Amino acid sequence: QQQVRQSPQSLTVWEGGTTVLTCSYEDSTFNYFPWYQQFPGEGPALLISILSVSDKKEDGRFTTFFNKREKKLSLHIIDSQPGDSATYFCAGLTGYQNFYFGKGTSLTVIP
Amino acid sequence: EAAVTQSPRNKVAVTGGKVTLSCNQTNNHNNMYWYRQDTGHGLRLIHYSYGAGSTEKGDIPDGYKASRPSQENFSLILELATPSQTSVYFCASGGDTSNERLFFGHGTKLSVL
Repeated sequence: QQQVRQSPQSLTVWEGGTTVLTCSYEDSTFNYFPWYQQFPGEGPALLISILSVSDKKEDGRFTTFFNKREKKLSLHIIDSQPGDSATYFCAGLTGYQNFYFGKGTSLTVIP
Repeated sequence: EAAVTQSPRNKVAVTGGKVTLSCNQTNNHNNMYWYRQDTGHGLRLIHYSYGAGSTEKGDIPDGYKASRPSQENFSLILELATPSQTSVYFCASGGDTSNERLFFGHGTKLSVL
């Protein structure tokens, strides 16, 4: 059973546009939700994260929203740039310190 | 900045051969993880460790062994490599406390012929 579902699988946006990535999860014990960004040939790196006690976390052009009732979270990128082109993974963390990752979204930002 | 180093970066192995992927971290993290990444599957957890001497099975452990001889080193071992194990493997450390990030290595691209 897949613990974290992520959509879309791939996405193309124009430079300057807003990107929205979404995830849903099953396990109610998840309490921490990081988003990782991965460039080709590199390992994933933490982009932004949110705790289950919060509903919004902002960091520059990146904002993550969390809806506990619906078990959903999203990542919004405003003023998307070609340098944002990467694969994005959402994840959920249980109290057992095991991260469950979504399958990823491949984002392409066209100049 | 925390550092996780994987070796080798690329590996070609023959079916039935033994493969060892190595990972070293200088972060003094207790927790270390091995993931494989495949198109359409994202990151899947193979084995993880809570500290030296400990190894635990992840979601897809079949065909893999792990070894954690020290705080810094965590190895993934394929005793009898198969073509289905062709993938990109990532080691990570971190997550020792709630909300602590994972630090990933650059990955090892393994091809089993």
